[in-house]
Amino acid sequence: NAGVTQTPKFQVLKTGQSMTLQCAQDMNHNSMYWYRQDPGMGLRLIYYSASEGTTDKGEVPNGYNVSRLNKREFSLRLESAAPSQTSVYFCASRLTGPNEKLFFGSGTQLSVL
Amino acid sequence: GESVGLHLPTLSVQEGDNSIINCAYSNSASDYFIWYKQESGKGPQFIIDIRSNMDKRQGQRVTVLLNKTVKHLSLQIAATQPGDSAVYFCAPPCLYNFNKFYFGSGTKLNVKP
Repeated sequence: NAGVTQTPKFQVLKTGQSMTLQCAQDMNHNSMYWYRQDPGMGLRLIYYSASEGTTDKGEVPNGYNVSRLNKREFSLRLESAAPSQTSVYFCASRLTGPNEKLFFGSGTQLSVL
Repeated sequence: GESVGLHLPTLSVQEGDNSIINCAYSNSASDYFIWYKQESGKGPQFIIDIRSNMDKRQGQRVTVLLNKTVKHLSLQIAATQPGDSAVYFCAPPCLYNFNKFYFGSGTKLNVKP
């Protein structure tokens, strides 16, 4: 019962490098989300995908792109990493219905030097 | 859309005391609210939810109170334990796009032994 799986758990990049954060869920949820969390701060929504084939911007989308590859997978890409993108990134999927809730992955700690 | 605060206030309580964590929301049309707990180094996890047709809901050692008149939620933890040390978030979904899932300002709970 894996739930939401994120890879990698840790990553260090140099300014200008690119990388993709992977996320997969095995709960057959339609909606998936990417958040970032800076130290001592709350969660900020980067992008979300309401269903396979659709994506939309959240609060802080600049500098990121996403791909909803299929129902299970939702990836977040940094094309040219900047130090301001140093953060912990969380992926989540959403159980919809009368008792909807989000299920989170364990996070990716990203440092951009 | 939603108004959410991002900086995390801190609440320190003595082990065994009761804790009360508060959350304000701006969207008067929100009809479902969730509390999440985030332990250090982990993703947020669901604790308890409440619908707008209720004023109070109880779980195991936790109670959520909803005051729709002043748009205020509170999470009460009875007999606080060291394992309760975490950041607590409330989440009302966004009215204008039900797929977006914004989080309210979290509160860091420190339990002193």
